[in-house]
Amino acid sequence: GNSVTQMEGPVTLSEEAFLTINCTYTATGYPSLFWYVQYPGEGLQLLLKATKADDKGSNKGFEATYRKETTSFHLEKGSVQVSDSAVYFCALSAFSNDYKLSFGAGTTVTVRA
Amino acid sequence: GAVVSQHPSRVICKSGTSVKIECRSLDFQATTMFWYRQFPKQSLMLMATSNEGSKATYEQGVEKDKFLINHASLTLSTLTVTSAHPEDSSFYICSAGGLSGNTIYFGEGSWLTVV
Repeated sequence: GNSVTQMEGPVTLSEEAFLTINCTYTATGYPSLFWYVQYPGEGLQLLLKATKADDKGSNKGFEATYRKETTSFHLEKGSVQVSDSAVYFCALSAFSNDYKLSFGAGTTVTVRA
Repeated sequence: GAVVSQHPSRVICKSGTSVKIECRSLDFQATTMFWYRQFPKQSLMLMATSNEGSKATYEQGVEKDKFLINHASLTLSTLTVTSAHPEDSSFYICSAGGLSGNTIYFGEGSWLTVV
């Protein structure tokens, strides 16, 4: 079946540091891949997505590239801010949209000023 | 602002009792709602998919008689954990999709502790 393995946290870094959160997946067929973010006290929000191999999703300075050869979808941001402190979830769907998602365990990121 | 609201955000109940968690779509009609559960340090796991006016579809290994899902209207789905046990203590989160298709919105999640 489908599964997502996500880098364990927590991750603590300083403002303007480079952030990478690793995500690999196992799936049959050609899944769509997502990164969700959950800020304290809020629901999960879609951060970015990619629906086919070599697609790059980007939003708010975050990027992730769908790598079929390595079955990965690593999240990166070149210069983090305190406001990026949140829990980040990698997810996949067998559908072209975000129905019936399979999630990773989530990575807590704390950015210190 | 939030488009999907879950209530309660935290609940403690005694073993053997039932507890209900609500998931409401605030400004759109949610034809489909999903319920997920997350145990500590594990992934969010899909429990069931509910479509308004029909029975929920449960994922393999999820007891439908224990986790009752009702999606009686286009703005409300409820998850009732019946005869709760400490092992049911978990983080439960819902998501909802509307008639227009692809966008899914998540609730804030509910922490259930069974003592």
